[in-house]
Amino acid sequence: ETGVTQTPRHLVMGMTNKKSLKCEQHLGHNAMYWYKQSAKKPLELMFVYNFKEQTENNSVPSRFSPECPNSSHLFLHLHTLQPEDSALYLCASSEDRGDYGYTFGSGTRLTVV
Amino acid sequence: SQQGEEDPQALSIQEGENATMNCSYKTSINNLQWYRQNSGRGLVHLILIRSNEREKHSGRLRVTLDTSKKSSSLLITASRAADTASYFCATPLQGAQKLVFGQGTRLTINP
Repeated sequence: ETGVTQTPRHLVMGMTNKKSLKCEQHLGHNAMYWYKQSAKKPLELMFVYNFKEQTENNSVPSRFSPECPNSSHLFLHLHTLQPEDSALYLCASSEDRGDYGYTFGSGTRLTVV
Repeated sequence: SQQGEEDPQALSIQEGENATMNCSYKTSINNLQWYRQNSGRGLVHLILIRSNEREKHSGRLRVTLDTSKKSSSLLITASRAADTASYFCATPLQGAQKLVFGQGTRLTINP
C-alpha cells in the first residue's frame, strides 16, 4: 500500500450510467491529482487540487466532474461517458507542489461499453 | 504538452545485466523524477534529482542529469525479474503545479 487508496479497482459502465471514482490519502499531503492513462499515450493530467481548491483543469470534458471535500479525499464523477474514455484513472497526492515527488494509487481500470 | 521523452521505448535484457534508460526534456527544470509502473498498476516514485545535482544513487539505481543537454539517464544494475516494468521520467512544468510524464520505457528482464 502506498498510502493512496483508489476504489473501485475495476469499473465497467454503460454510456448512460453515472458512477464515481474515489481516492483517499493518509499521508497528510495537501495536493491531489487525477491523471488519465490510455494505451500508447503519455499520462494526461486532468485536475489538480491544492488545499481543496481546484488549481488546474486541463481542458477536461464536462462529463468528468471532480470533487474534493477535504485534503484527504478526491472524487471523479462520471456521466454519459464515451468508449474512448476507457482508460486507467490514477490518483496521486503530494506535499505542496510536488517537488519531493508524487505518491500514486493503484488506479481504477475503467471500461465504457 | 509532452516534456520528457524516454529512449528506448522498449528494452529486453537478461537477468543480471545492467539496464540503461534515457530521458530528454525540452525546457528548464528544477528537478527530474523517475517512476516505475508494473503492468496495470499505479506509478511508484523511484528517485528525484535536482537541477544542481549531476548524479544520484539509490540501491541498484543510478540517475544522472545533464542540464546542458537536457537529458537524464536511469541505470539499473544487476537486473532482476522483478525489475520488469515500465519506467517513466517526469518533470514539473515551470509556473504550473503539473508533473509531465514521458511515454515510458518498457523494460523486460528475461530469466
